[in-house]
Amino acid sequence: EDQVTQSPEALRLQEGESSSLNCSYTVSGLRGLFWYRQDPGKGPEFLFTLYSAGEEKEKERLKATLTKKESFLHITAPKPEDSATYLCAVQDISGGSNYKLTFGKGTLLTVNP
Amino acid sequence: DAGVTQSPTHLIKTRGQHVTLRCSPISGHKSVSWYQQVLGQGPQFIFQYYEKEERGRGNFPDRFSARQFPNYSSELNVNALLLGDSALYLCASSFYGSEAFFGQGTRLTVV
Repeated sequence: EDQVTQSPEALRLQEGESSSLNCSYTVSGLRGLFWYRQDPGKGPEFLFTLYSAGEEKEKERLKATLTKKESFLHITAPKPEDSATYLCAVQDISGGSNYKLTFGKGTLLTVNP
Repeated sequence: DAGVTQSPTHLIKTRGQHVTLRCSPISGHKSVSWYQQVLGQGPQFIFQYYEKEERGRGNFPDRFSARQFPNYSSELNVNALLLGDSALYLCASSFYGSEAFFGQGTRLTVV
């Protein structure tokens, strides 16, 4: 069974204080790893897809990296508007034509001004 | 371009009642998936449909059912509502197997 574990559960940063969020996963075969941002009471907002170990993607202050067992979401010089829950999800290639996402519980990031 | 739209945004139902939630995918997307998210947890997969066929079902009781229409919109139906069904129900659309884009969700409260 696919498993996704995110750490820490919650992270509080000062504005400008860089840090990383971790996503550890267990799948039969990784089709893709996805990062989403979710604001309270809203649906998840797509950020990145990573497909193979060594891959990196960047968007503004965010950079996502992937190894064979985990992914990191690096946040450089965060701003208060980066405060949100960040969700990691995996797609397992053994699912065949079922492209379900298995999510972790998320990391609640708070950036103080 | 319009994103994924879900209706209604909020709903209050009584235990034992039935509920229907609706979803319109992004134009051109033929795959729709449904997820349940309870407070403090990540979304949990319920169903995936592609070209009106069910392609996957999560670990949910038979009280949950769904369908996809020729225009690729979808409905999620839940019968005999329980208090534990209270959650944010999310619909996601994708071209097929690519990135999934989520709607704003329907907040269901069962009293």
